[in-house]
Amino acid sequence: QVQLKESGPGLVQPSQTLSLTCTVSGFSLTSYNVHWVRQPPGKGLEWMGRMRYNGDTSYNSALKSRLSISRDTSKNQVFLKMNSLQTDDTGTYYCTRDEDWGFDYWGQGVMVTVSS
Amino acid sequence: DIQMTQSPSSLPASLGERVTISCRASQGISNNLNWYQQKPDGTIKPLIYYTSNLQSGVPSRFSGSGSGTDYSLTISSLEPEDFAMYYCQQDASFPPTFGGGTKLELK
Repeated sequence: QVQLKESGPGLVQPSQTLSLTCTVSGFSLTSYNVHWVRQPPGKGLEWMGRMRYNGDTSYNSALKSRLSISRDTSKNQVFLKMNSLQTDDTGTYYCTRDEDWGFDYWGQGVMVTVSS
Repeated sequence: DIQMTQSPSSLPASLGERVTISCRASQGISNNLNWYQQKPDGTIKPLIYYTSNLQSGVPSRFSGSGSGTDYSLTISSLEPEDFAMYYCQQDASFPPTFGGGTKLELK
């Protein structure tokens, strides 16, 4: 069945780089788009960026200068890297699959705390 | 970017009650409106796509409607598992954007 699972460090120091991995199963990254969405504690969902099925990427304009999304199709993984982290980057980070009918599968999320 | 505004932000309700959550877009989105449920453990579940279509496995007590800029999610008779956060999301225009959320809580 379709699954997505985020992984990465739970704690990152301010000004450092966040690296997260979304490992997918049950579908091919060359057939579906995968997005990253984050959620600060107690707040709403914010779209971050997208890896398209053809390898193209798109980013939230507010994060574009700090954000990079890539993939390894042989490992069924999508990667998120975001530099110059600040405390307001603390939150839960989700990857989700995009279908014609919205975001149809979500990972469980990974909590990231930015603190020294 | 299209702004999505949900109301109310908090909705106290009782078991068995019928409730409606509203979502307004800053411009017309041609029914490209989806709804999601988030439980306290963070799990996000898709509920409705393209305004009124139930995702697989979603109970029929959930329904969606709307057009143009105004959309709504209705739960006909609240069950205990329905108390959660709800988010609307538009995908009419890139980038996709979410509403601020509605917390459905037990009165």
